[in-house]
Amino acid sequence: SQKIEQNSEALNIQEGKTATLTCNYTNYSPAYLQWYRQDPGRGPVFLLLIRENEKEKRKERLKVTFDTTLKQSLFHITASQPADSATYLCALFGNEKLTFGTGTRLTIIP
Amino acid sequence: SAVISQKPSRDICQRGTSLTIQCQVDSQVTMMFWYRQQPGQSLTLIATANQGSEATYESGFVIDKFPISRPNLTFSTLTVSNMSPEDSSIYLCSVPWAGVGDYGYTFGSGTRLTVV
Repeated sequence: SQKIEQNSEALNIQEGKTATLTCNYTNYSPAYLQWYRQDPGRGPVFLLLIRENEKEKRKERLKVTFDTTLKQSLFHITASQPADSATYLCALFGNEKLTFGTGTRLTIIP
Repeated sequence: SAVISQKPSRDICQRGTSLTIQCQVDSQVTMMFWYRQQPGQSLTLIATANQGSEATYESGFVIDKFPISRPNLTFSTLTVSNMSPEDSSIYLCSVPWAGVGDYGYTFGSGTRLTVV
């Protein structure tokens, strides 16, 4: 069956360091992969999209990689700040719908 | 990207009753999506609502339990019928958007439902 897993439920990172979140999937051939941020009591907010033929994408302090051979995406936040604390969700688009991963709750410690 | 107004933001309901959740979008969109997010869980797609046609439901979700209306290109409702405590979740609507070389989904702020 299709499955999307994110490396850990919770991740604590010291302020200023790089936070790296992992998204692994099985039994998918996604056209693209997206990352979202979700704050408590709010809906997810789109951050980045990476297509199946792209290896890496950057946006300000964010970087996403996509390895369709490993079936894995890595999401990096460089120079992390306490304001980056949130739950981060990866989502795969395939079969005309978006399916979300389990999410990683990231806490940046001052 | 579109802006979505979702109501109510939260509600506490008695078991056996129904609740209708509304989503109003500030622009016309063909497809709208309804998700459920159970406590501590990720988002699960309930159904896709296209204007002018019946909603398409995902496995495990049925129209009798989650009827959806889509009367025009800016509005949709999801009803949670004959509620039980297991229906306590956050319900979210979503619409797709496309920019220059980019695609994403905009979400409403969610409806936090508690069934007692």
